[in-house]
Amino acid sequence: EPEVTQTPSHQVTQMGQEVILRCVPISNHLYFYWYRQILGQKVEFLVSFYNNEISEKSEIFDDQFSVERPDGSNFTLKIRSTKLEDSAMYFCASSEDGQGIILGQGNTIYFGEGSWLTVV
Amino acid sequence: DAKTTQPNSMESNEEEPVHLPCNHSTISGTDYIHWYRQLPSQGPEYVIHGLTSNVNNRMASLAIAEDRKSSTLILHRATLRDAAVYYCILRDPISSGSARQLTFGSGTQLTVLP
Repeated sequence: EPEVTQTPSHQVTQMGQEVILRCVPISNHLYFYWYRQILGQKVEFLVSFYNNEISEKSEIFDDQFSVERPDGSNFTLKIRSTKLEDSAMYFCASSEDGQGIILGQGNTIYFGEGSWLTVV
Repeated sequence: DAKTTQPNSMESNEEEPVHLPCNHSTISGTDYIHWYRQLPSQGPEYVIHGLTSNVNNRMASLAIAEDRKSSTLILHRATLRDAAVYYCILRDPISSGSARQLTFGSGTQLTVLP
């Protein structure tokens, strides 16, 4: 079964350093997402991406964050200057459709296993 | 935003059915009811979704009340591997902005007892 893959599974970085988290979405999917989950807290939406641009973002997704689809398969989240409070599990996700054009299964969002980021 | 209410936790015995309730009294006509689950140390996983009619798939069944103000996720025979946090989420796929995204609440922590 196709799956979303993420690397690295775990990264430790020093405060102030730049971090890039990588994701390979499911191949025929057109919508890509990043979510995060701070330890013991809810899963939070960060950003959605379609047609090579951000379609929606949350208040969490400030200027420190950026996303990119550098080639036909990868989708990356960059944190420019990490802070202690950025420590969290970051989940990449993808869906075939995000606009509700395809009803039913097309709206399902598939998540990766996550990248655990620890900022020290 | 339409919101959902779920019990914080539930317990079930292995190989018995589990009924996980969700209240969504402010649901709108275009909201789909989605269920995701999150196993320990894993990403959320799609379980099932529906709009008005009851739905079945290989993982579970979704029973939706006639007025759509509540729904129940049914696991027909719980296994130890079903122990997870189960999220009931309303999603309006044709809306704009954040309503189209999955907004996770605290969910129901399901414990399956051997």
